[in-house]
Amino acid sequence: ETGVTQSPTHLIKTRGQQVTLRCSSQSGHNTVSWYQQALGQGPQFIFQYYREEENGRGNFPPRFSGLQFPNYSSELNVNALELDDSALYLCASSSTGQGVDEQFFGPGTRLTVL
Amino acid sequence: SQKIEQNSEALNIQEGKTATLTCNYTNYSPAYLQWYRQDPGRGPVFLLLIRENEKEKRKERLKVTFDTTLKQSLFHITASQPADSATYLCALDSSSNTGKLIFGQGTTLQVKP
Repeated sequence: ETGVTQSPTHLIKTRGQQVTLRCSSQSGHNTVSWYQQALGQGPQFIFQYYREEENGRGNFPPRFSGLQFPNYSSELNVNALELDDSALYLCASSSTGQGVDEQFFGPGTRLTVL
Repeated sequence: SQKIEQNSEALNIQEGKTATLTCNYTNYSPAYLQWYRQDPGRGPVFLLLIRENEKEKRKERLKVTFDTTLKQSLFHITASQPADSATYLCALDSSSNTGKLIFGQGTTLQVKP
């Protein structure tokens, strides 16, 4: 098990609602990346935070937003939930945010949108 | 368009045999390629990283090759065991050295005793 934790484990929401997912990075890591993983697919990059600043974004609409705090923990917020947002949301931390670093993934939050 | 593809069909092999998984990519020039293992309901776990100037990398029973001409990486598990059953994901950096990984869809390996 890595030191990356995520909460909650599971979440059920209805279409149109808003959700906040949380991630605590591994000790000493200043970079957090968020991924969305639909069933049977690989993780898709949402965005990355490095030292509290957004450091790159994937092909996701603005209703996906995030924050990183001074302790390097992070939040993913999704507004106006759609059925297609149902997925496993993964956060990953790394020490520098560079491609040469391995990323340490948390167990994920399973979001179901009804 | 940019794509990274893995065999979508599950790979079923007998215990003790070598499993070989394929990762192909187009319209990328990655400096690194990574392989991860993912068990059901859990996050991916890093296995190996191979750089563009490395042809082969080994770690215990695992071997990865990287052919930048063919735009392909092969992942081998020798002397496979039932405990190796999982989904294996390849990933590359979406742009130079940024850590923003693009993943393939994964290949599920089932090792039968």
